[in-house]
Amino acid sequence: AIQLTQSPSSLSASVGDRVTITCRASQGISSALAWYQQNPGKAPNLLIYDASSLGTGVPSRFSGSGSGTDFTLTISSLQPEDFATYYCQQFNTYPFTFGGGTKVEIK
Amino acid sequence: EVQLVESGGGLVQSGGSLRLSCAASGFTFSNYAMSWVRQAPGKGLEWVSAISGSGGITYYTDSAKGRFTISRDSSMNTLYLQMNSLRAEDTAIYYCARHSEVVSRNSYSDHWGQGTLVTVSS
Repeated sequence: AIQLTQSPSSLSASVGDRVTITCRASQGISSALAWYQQNPGKAPNLLIYDASSLGTGVPSRFSGSGSGTDFTLTISSLQPEDFATYYCQQFNTYPFTFGGGTKVEIK
Repeated sequence: EVQLVESGGGLVQSGGSLRLSCAASGFTFSNYAMSWVRQAPGKGLEWVSAISGSGGITYYTDSAKGRFTISRDSSMNTLYLQMNSLRAEDTAIYYCARHSEVVSRNSYSDHWGQGTLVTVSS
């Protein structure tokens, strides 16, 4: 199975900060990667698909980049509602796998 | 509006069975592949199984093969997950998710239900 390694596993940041989360795949997955945001007790919410396309209704401060094995999710200016856990997922090869998650906390 | 509502979770003894359901509305059900994804308490997300829009193609994670069966009923707009031989490590919230295409490979999950909790007691 393809392993997705997310880093960091957690980070502390302030409102207005620029935040970058990385996701590295153990083998190439082209651009078949999505990013999700999950708040406590809630279902995941799609942010980015196909590595760099913005999901419907997702604020433009979120962006994604990368292809092959290395991907990044960037939040250009962190807002209070962005404190959550973020997951990457590959949908190129079965079994579809998720990264371990990155918890973004308030500094 | 796309809606996915899971049901069927509960407490079951190790070795027992449960059938989860996911009622879909707001879209043409047979036009989209569907998946089940689970999340153990305090842990990350784990993809479990996927099924094509027609129901003819299914995939499972290794731990689910031979124990879980995914299926769908387009007349009822409902997705199912039959879970047999349940183990303590199957304890999790189970989410159903719609894919963006009729087949699951190379199509992301764009809508998710709120989940149903399965607890397996040993």
